Amino acid sequence: NAGVTQTPKFQVLKTGQSMTLQCAQDMNHNSMYWYRQDPGMGLRLIYYSASEGTTDKGEVPNGYNVSRLNKREFSLRLESAAPSQTSVYFCASSEGAAPTGYTFGSGTRLTVV
Amino acid sequence: AQKITQTQPGMFVQEKEAVTLDCTYDTSDQSYGLFWYKQPSSGEMIFLIYQGSYDEQNATEGRYSLNFQKARKSANLVISASQLGDSAMYFCAMRVLKGGGNKLTFGTGTQLKVEL
Repeated sequence: NAGVTQTPKFQVLKTGQSMTLQCAQDMNHNSMYWYRQDPGMGLRLIYYSASEGTTDKGEVPNGYNVSRLNKREFSLRLESAAPSQTSVYFCASSEGAAPTGYTFGSGTRLTVV
Repeated sequence: AQKITQTQPGMFVQEKEAVTLDCTYDTSDQSYGLFWYKQPSSGEMIFLIYQGSYDEQNATEGRYSLNFQKARKSANLVISASQLGDSAMYFCAMRVLKGGGNKLTFGTGTQLKVEL
C-alpha cells in the first residue's frame, strides 16, 4: 500500500546502544518529519526536513540525529540511547500546505532499558 | 510560538449521543490550519478534518464537524451519533502557513470512550 513505511515496529535497546529508525514514503512528498509520542504529552517534533537536502531541529532534538538520504527516505539515529528516549516514534510526510496534513507511518515502539 | 491546548484528558459518551472535544490554540499568525486526528488503540494516526483560518464555513466530514470560533481561538471537534468504534485518542493540531516549515503542533490529546 502507498504511504509511509517505518522499520522496525518494535525495538528494545540497552542504555548506550545506538540504532537507526528507517522511514520511507512513496507519495513524492517534499517534507518529512520525526515525532515522538509520550503519555500525556501528545506528539512532539524531533526533526524535520522541509525538502531533500535540508534538515532542521524541532522541539526535542537532543540525543538524536537525522539524515534525509533522498526524497523518499528520512532516518532517525540514536547515537547513545537513554531510558528517557523510551517512546513511540512516528515518521510522517506532507506535500506543501495540503489540507490533509500529514501522512503518518505506523510507528516504532522503542524501549531503552 | 504556537500552542494547542486540550483540557479534557478523558471523556465518556453514550452510543448514539453527540460529543464535543475541546481545543484552543494560540498563534499570532493570521494564516494557519487546524486539524483533528484520531488514534485508535492500534496506534495509527488517522486524519479526520481540516479547517483553514480563512474558511468562513465550519468544516464537516460525515459525522465529524469542526466548531471554529476564530475570535475565541477555539476549534472544537463535534462527533455526532457516537459509535463504539469512535473510542480512541483524539488530537488537535495546528500548522502555521507562513514560514512554519509545514510543522504540525499537537495538543496532548483527549481519550474518548463510547459506552453502550
